[in-house]
Amino acid sequence: DVKVTQSSRYLVKRTGEKVFLECVQDMDHENMFWYRQDPGLGLRLIYFSYDVKMKEKGDIPEGYSVSREKKERFSLILESASTNQTSMYLCASSPTPKGQYGYTFGSGTRLTVV
Amino acid sequence: AQSVTQPDIHITVSEGASLELRCNYSYGATPYLFWYVQSPGQGLQLLLKYFSGDTLVQGIKGFEAEFKRSQSSFNLRKPSVHWSDAAEYFCAVVVPSGTYKYIFGTGTRLKVLA
Repeated sequence: DVKVTQSSRYLVKRTGEKVFLECVQDMDHENMFWYRQDPGLGLRLIYFSYDVKMKEKGDIPEGYSVSREKKERFSLILESASTNQTSMYLCASSPTPKGQYGYTFGSGTRLTVV
Repeated sequence: AQSVTQPDIHITVSEGASLELRCNYSYGATPYLFWYVQSPGQGLQLLLKYFSGDTLVQGIKGFEAEFKRSQSSFNLRKPSVHWSDAAEYFCAVVVPSGTYKYIFGTGTRLKVLA
């Protein structure tokens, strides 16, 4: 069964900490995405990557960065966590950049910043 | 701007009853269309997709959806709901041009009464 694995289900971090959210996929997909999900706002795209060492900003990149050193791994970095970054973070991957076959999502990381 | 509307935030049905979840999109041509399901505390799972061909699409878990170009709709249906179908359902579209951006609706939460 193909998978997107997010390393942590729940995280609690302090304001100002540097936070790493890890995502690994085993489907050899070139395309990977980070979303945050908030009640009433749906899913919002933070960053995406179409290839190793390549990244593109999504709709809400402020306060975040990403790293894609290997094809299977796409990391989201909160440089200095703030309380307004408390959210559910979802990683996804896709076999094509056009997304016509849909995305495979990880189980999510629920981050609380205190 | 392109958008996706799920008019119903919450829907409650009895187990065994039929279900229809509504999705409307705003885009001049035919986008790629998707339905995802999210169980509590989980990521999103692809139920079905449409990008060409037969306008009635069969998906997993007994779900189907019908694309109606004249109404810009892609409603999700199930003839008999099971208690395990209680979840949140997201409609999504991809505009097949330019950046092929994914646009998610804000979701419909389904409650199933025993």
